[in-house]
Amino acid sequence: DQQVKQNSPSLSVQEGRISILNCDYTNSMFDYFLWYKKYPAEGPTFLISISSIKDKNEDGRFTVFLNKSAKHLSLHIVPSQPGDSAVYFCAASAKDSNYQLIWGAGTKLIIKP
Amino acid sequence: DSGVTQTPKHLITATGQRVTLRCSPRSGDLSVYWYQQSLDQGLQFLIQYYNGEERAKGNILERFSAQQFPDLHSELNLSSLELGDSALYFCASSVGPTGQPQHFGDGTRLSIL
Repeated sequence: DQQVKQNSPSLSVQEGRISILNCDYTNSMFDYFLWYKKYPAEGPTFLISISSIKDKNEDGRFTVFLNKSAKHLSLHIVPSQPGDSAVYFCAASAKDSNYQLIWGAGTKLIIKP
Repeated sequence: DSGVTQTPKHLITATGQRVTLRCSPRSGDLSVYWYQQSLDQGLQFLIQYYNGEERAKGNILERFSAQQFPDLHSELNLSSLELGDSALYFCASSVGPTGQPQHFGDGTRLSIL
C-alpha cells in the first residue's frame, strides 16, 4: 500500500526553464510534507517542507504547493540549473503516527544544457 | 556535509552471516533513525531511537536489531542475512523525538553474495 506516490520515475527539463515535480498521497491524516534531494553516492538532503495549514511555501528558487482536497503536492524549481539534476523524494508524516516519514519512490530530474 | 557519519560505506558478505552498521548522529541531535532503500524504491523506515531509548518501529525484520549508546551513536545489526537484504541502509538524525527535518548520512551499501 503506497501512501505516497511519485508517478514520474524521471523528468527532463531544459536549463533555465521550470521544473515541476509531483507527489500524490492517500492518507488524509498526513499533516507535514517534505522534499529531499539526493545525489548519487550521497544521503538525501532536506530541501523544503510545508505544513498542512499552508498551501504554499517558498525558499529561493524552490516553491512547494499543497492541494489538500486533491491530496497532491508539487515542487517547482525556477529557473532550473544543472546542479538541480538529482533524484527528488517526497515524504509525508502524520501526528498520529509519531511523525514517521513515509517516502515516495523518487523522481530523477535531468537538467539539459 | 550533513554531520551524520555512517560506517562502513560498503559491505560485502554472504548469506547467513551477520553484520553491524554504525552511525554517529549530528552533534546535538538526540534522535537516530534507520532506513532501508532497496533498488529504485523509496526509503523504508526501520526503527528510531531517542536519547538511548527505542521510540518507534517500522518495517524492521526480527533478524534485525538496533541500539543507541550513551554517546548517542547507534548500531544496526543484521543477522541470518538473505539475498533480499542487499540494499542501501541510511541513518538519519534530528534534534528531538519528532524533529524535522531529518539529516542523513551517506549510507552503507550492503551486498549479499
